[in-house]
Amino acid sequence: GAGVSQSPSNKVTEKGKDVELRCDPISGHTALYWYRQRLGQGLEFLIYFQGNSAPDKSGLPSDRFSAERTGESVSTLTIQRTQQEDSAVYLCASRVAGVNEQFFGPGTRLTVL
Amino acid sequence: QKEVEQDPGPLSVPEGAIVSLNCTYSNSAFQYFMWYRQYSRKGPELLMYTYSSGNKEDGRFTAQVDKSSKYISLFIRDSQPSDSATYLCAMSAGSGGFKTIFGAGTRLFVKA
Repeated sequence: GAGVSQSPSNKVTEKGKDVELRCDPISGHTALYWYRQRLGQGLEFLIYFQGNSAPDKSGLPSDRFSAERTGESVSTLTIQRTQQEDSAVYLCASRVAGVNEQFFGPGTRLTVL
Repeated sequence: QKEVEQDPGPLSVPEGAIVSLNCTYSNSAFQYFMWYRQYSRKGPELLMYTYSSGNKEDGRFTAQVDKSSKYISLFIRDSQPSDSATYLCAMSAGSGGFKTIFGAGTRLFVKA
């Protein structure tokens, strides 16, 4: 595919359940970001992966949130024991090393009932 | 105080109007300034990219950066209904390896 893909596009879950969101970056993009966007809000940085370096996890809001990335391929964002305030669109973006432009996926819309 | 401030709007203008969107910031280390456009239920896409102070023009869009005032602007000339979207400013202290900080986004409606 030519762009960043994310799955699922929509996820409805019950409070207390765990969810896993997936991001497939553009091939060759070494950097990968996860953001959270609440309704009507801007982008809230969650985590950043750059190659094989240790990820920047400074934006993760609690220890219920974690993310993994294998090499320079797919990434998964896991939210454990979901809460209603976790409801948001989760966006993934990737970019080439040394360039600021980020390419975004369409997002996963998470609804926690 | 947020590092980047942006009025969320909404901003409603008639077709053909000149639109001015703005952001202010507090971190003097920011050198790279970007505007992203986000249509409803889509991810943001890069619209304009500038380095340091000055103007950059691309078709109907002009980006301005005033580092002395810590103020950036995006102007849209001859606005069209298809310009209706959320516009997010973004900035970074360096290219690659630096965190990009996004504004909250301004929702723009262009009425036909």
